[in-house]
Amino acid sequence: GENVEQHPSTLSVQEGDSAVIKCTYSDSASNYFPWYKQELGKRPQLIIDIRSNVGEKKDQRIAVTLNKTAKHFSLHITETQPEDSAVYFCAASITDAGNMLTFGGGTRLMVKP
Amino acid sequence: IAGITQAPTSQILAAGRRMTLRCTQDMRHNAMYWYRQDLGLGLRLIHYSNTAGTTGKGEVPDGYSVSRANTDDFPLTLASAVPSQTSVYFCASKQTGTNTGELFFGEGSRLTVL
Repeated sequence: GENVEQHPSTLSVQEGDSAVIKCTYSDSASNYFPWYKQELGKRPQLIIDIRSNVGEKKDQRIAVTLNKTAKHFSLHITETQPEDSAVYFCAASITDAGNMLTFGGGTRLMVKP
Repeated sequence: IAGITQAPTSQILAAGRRMTLRCTQDMRHNAMYWYRQDLGLGLRLIHYSNTAGTTGKGEVPDGYSVSRANTDDFPLTLASAVPSQTSVYFCASKQTGTNTGELFFGEGSRLTVL
């Protein structure tokens, strides 16, 4: 089955700096890659996703890039703010195979004011 | 308010006891999932159901069972709880066959097995 590795497990940045979280996946058939944000004590929520037919997608301060050849994708957060502090999860799935998501281990992002 | 509801939110359980975590959604999503979240291990899929009347095993199904008698409800049962099942359990749902693919999570159920 699919295996998703996520790095780093913890990341500390200064407010205003950029943060990058990287994930690799094993199944070349995967074609849907979402990112979820989980604030302390809360449920995970989708923040951005990308499909395999595009290489990059942006939404304000958040962007995701995908390299299908290398089987890795990354989350980029620019101009970080304290409210960006949370655990971020990447995931991968094959949309025509039950849509089951396999999650990475998570990255705890801490933005210091 | 539309969404996905889990109960209980927290429970302490003696080893060997039976426990059912309840999950109900009112979004008419066809697919539902149970994940467990352990520190450093992310979210691991326990069981899933693509439509009412069908279920399947995920990555870590041992010691758990599910049923999907109707669209809205997807209970998770621990037949005989063990300490390694101490975790936070998230129920989630999704409407498959759409462009978004967004998974909606419940608030989670924190289970401690002593």
